[in-house]
Amino acid sequence: DAGVIQSPRHEVTEMGQEVTLRCKPISGHNSLFWYRQTMMRGLELLIYFNNNVPIDDSGMPEDRFSAKMPNASFSTLKIQPSEPRDSAVYFCASSFFLLDSRSEKLFFGSGTQLSVL
Amino acid sequence: QKEVEQDPGPLSVPEGAIVSLNCTYSNSAFQYFMWYRQYSRKGPELLMYTYSSGNKEDGRFTAQVDKSSKYISLFIRDSQPSDSATYLCAMSARPGNTPLVFGKGTRLSVIA
Repeated sequence: DAGVIQSPRHEVTEMGQEVTLRCKPISGHNSLFWYRQTMMRGLELLIYFNNNVPIDDSGMPEDRFSAKMPNASFSTLKIQPSEPRDSAVYFCASSFFLLDSRSEKLFFGSGTQLSVL
Repeated sequence: QKEVEQDPGPLSVPEGAIVSLNCTYSNSAFQYFMWYRQYSRKGPELLMYTYSSGNKEDGRFTAQVDKSSKYISLFIRDSQPSDSATYLCAMSARPGNTPLVFGKGTRLSVIA
């Protein structure tokens, strides 16, 4: 298995531009998570999906951020318009959720390094 | 007070040393405790998983949970240069894939 695949690996853009980050979860996984990592704030959960349905988006910083999961094998995180304070590493993670499972094994992608100038 | 506190380091030790990494937390509802390891320019990967209090050992790694003190630890015996990474603690209150709360991570360097 190729693992969680994120693209692009690096994104440099100018303030005000639209940015779209992409994620392909591991086949068979039914939960998908978007995290943002900065030195100051560490790893923060932005939003997560279960069976393609958004469950909790309370971590999305503001309306400029939106996420979609049109099918089980693809998700996007969009920032419009982007701002310099959005510069961070954005991670996508997936896992297989069972109601009575005690497993918390998240599989992370390699991340997208976003720089907004 | 943040929900999870973790000393960011950096921590530098000689090869072969015993390493102790720690986190404290404030939410008494947390029952599931994890340690993730993150190499530079990579995503975190699960290293250890513990439910409730007690110890768990896996090779050179031992995870300890003390719920009465709201304190968790990761010990690395006979540390190797390949252990150089950032170690993040994570925890959650409910089973299954509910959102994990992560510490900020401790950066470890093991010097040969």
